[in-house]
Amino acid sequence: DAMVIQNPRYQVTQFGKPVTLSCSQTLNHNVMYWYQQKSSQAPKLLFHYYDKDFNNEADTPDNFQSRRPNTSFCFLDIRSPGLGDAAMYLCATSRAGQALETQYFGPGTRLLVL
Amino acid sequence: AQSVTQLGSHVSVSEGALVLLRCNYSSSVPPYLFWYVQYPNQGLQLLLKYTTGATLVKGINGFEAEFKKSETSFHLTKPSAHMSDAAEYFCAVTRSSGNTPLVFGKGTRLSVIA
Repeated sequence: DAMVIQNPRYQVTQFGKPVTLSCSQTLNHNVMYWYQQKSSQAPKLLFHYYDKDFNNEADTPDNFQSRRPNTSFCFLDIRSPGLGDAAMYLCATSRAGQALETQYFGPGTRLLVL
Repeated sequence: AQSVTQLGSHVSVSEGALVLLRCNYSSSVPPYLFWYVQYPNQGLQLLLKYTTGATLVKGINGFEAEFKKSETSFHLTKPSAHMSDAAEYFCAVTRSSGNTPLVFGKGTRLSVIA
């Protein structure tokens, strides 16, 4: 089945130690998104890629960066995780050009910062 | 700018009772509207969406929602709650033109009592 895959599902890192979360998709969608979701809150968009064009939300901290080496993969890099970065990180995809804008989400990676 | 307001952060219903989750939106252009469901430690799953055409939209798991432009609402309903419906529900909006990411509401946690 076509899907959005996130690895790992759970990630533990130390304060200040760089961490990378990965997302892959078999939907062949040209748009990929990264969201941060803290406990009992709505997902908050960090950035998204429209093909190779990177779109950063204005309030996304510089500590967060992303890479999209090809259509299928997208990575979220947290350069120096702080305790406040502990959250669920959700990857999503959609197909631009279709006005439906339906986003398909992966299962998420829960990040714990010690 | 677009926004979504979900009335009630927590709704509790008895099994077999009507489920009503409220969502009001603000948009300066015709909106596309979505309801997503999130089970614990999982990603978001699309329940249903409104784009154009029929204002009563049917989704998965027996849910439906009605787009009411005059009331700027998109409330989610289900005639008879099931224990498996217990989850977090998010309403989201995006513009019908252009490639604009979703704006989510804060979510409503649905509890179902046996």
